[in-house]
Order: sequence, then C-alpha cells, then structure tokens
Amino acid sequence: GIQVEQSPPDLILQEGANSTLRCNFSDSVNNLQWFHQNPWGQLINLFYIPSGTKQNGRLSATTVATERYSLLYISSSQTTDSGVYFCAVRSGGSTLGRLYFGRGTQLTVWP
Amino acid sequence: GAGVSQSPSNKVTEKGKDVELRCDPISGHTALYWYRQSLGQGLEFLIYFQGNSAPDKSGLPSDRFSAERTGGSVSTLTIQRTQQEDSAVYLCASSSMASKETQYFGPGTRLLVL
Repeated sequence: GIQVEQSPPDLILQEGANSTLRCNFSDSVNNLQWFHQNPWGQLINLFYIPSGTKQNGRLSATTVATERYSLLYISSSQTTDSGVYFCAVRSGGSTLGRLYFGRGTQLTVWP
Repeated sequence: GAGVSQSPSNKVTEKGKDVELRCDPISGHTALYWYRQSLGQGLEFLIYFQGNSAPDKSGLPSDRFSAERTGGSVSTLTIQRTQQEDSAVYLCASSSMASKETQYFGPGTRLLVL
C-alpha cells in the first residue's frame, strides 16, 4: 500500500505563531484529506484536497500531486488548534475506497 | 443533517468475551469504513463496504474480526474471543460520491479488554 509520512511528528507553538505541516506520499493518489483529531478523539475534516490549494479561515492547504506532497498551513495559531493533524490518501482508479493514514503531527499551542 | 454515530461510546470487556460495535452512517452514504486507532498511533484500516459489492476485508487482523452491513445502512463490527491487544478506539466513517468522496468519521468506540 501507499506509504504516508508526516512531519514534524511533534510541534510546540506559542499562540499567534504560524506553522507548516507536511505530508509526503509514495504513489499517485486520487484523494487526499487533512483531519484534525481533537483532544476528545473526534476526527474533524479540514480539507479534501487531492490537488491544488484551498483556504478556510486561518487554515490553508496545498497539494502538489506530481511531486507527491501536501502542506497544511496554520496561521495565527490558537490554543484550540491543539491536537493531532492527520493526512490520509487513497490510491487507485476507484472513486471510493480505504484511506491510508500518516502517523500524524501532534500540535500543542501554548497561550 | 446528522453525522456518523457509533455505539457504545465506551466498552470494557474481559478477555475471551465477544463484543459488538455499531455504526450508523450518514443517511444516503453508500460507502462505510471501519478503522481502528491504538493508543498514540495512526488509523489502521479494517474493512470497507460499498453498496451491494463484496466488502474489502483486507484489513481485518484475524478471523476473530467480522463485520456486516444490513440493508446498506447500519454496520456491526464483531470481535470474538477478545484479546488485550484488541484494546483500541474503533472508528467508523462513511462517504458518497455526492460528498466528493470525503470520508466523515464518527466519534468512535473506545474498547478496553481486561
């Protein structure tokens, strides 16, 4: 299956700082999603972004499919941004199917 | 509309007992997925249902694990003769073409095998 690597594994920020999380994947994909897992364990969809750039408030994401990576940008971080950020991808020609997850980036934002 | 729901929220069982975990997908979603997350780990795929097609069972870790989906909606994941290494959070997700293939996750069932 596809290998998904996320970096950094851990990130500690002061409130107000900006950050970039990276996701590398080993093969072509037709689905890439970024999730935020909050302290209660709920996975929250951030972006569906198999290619291109999207923005949602303080968060934005860019996927360069030809180079097999995606970036998640968090600007003006807040304590509520704390949690684990997962990148997940799907390979193959099927439009539906399992996702392969990275091991996540644990983000801690201090006030 | 309502999101993906799972029950129970938490389950504590004794080693060797069977457990059943339930997932109610988003109404109208044709695809349903089970994953599990061990402490501090990423998500591990278990099984995938799509409409009336045969399920993709390639992620089930042993024959003690099985799942079914009745009427194309509710799914039940059954673990027989539970072992301590089965302790994890079991997450269900659903998706559809109309939702642009985005998988939406339920809150999970936290299983502890003593």
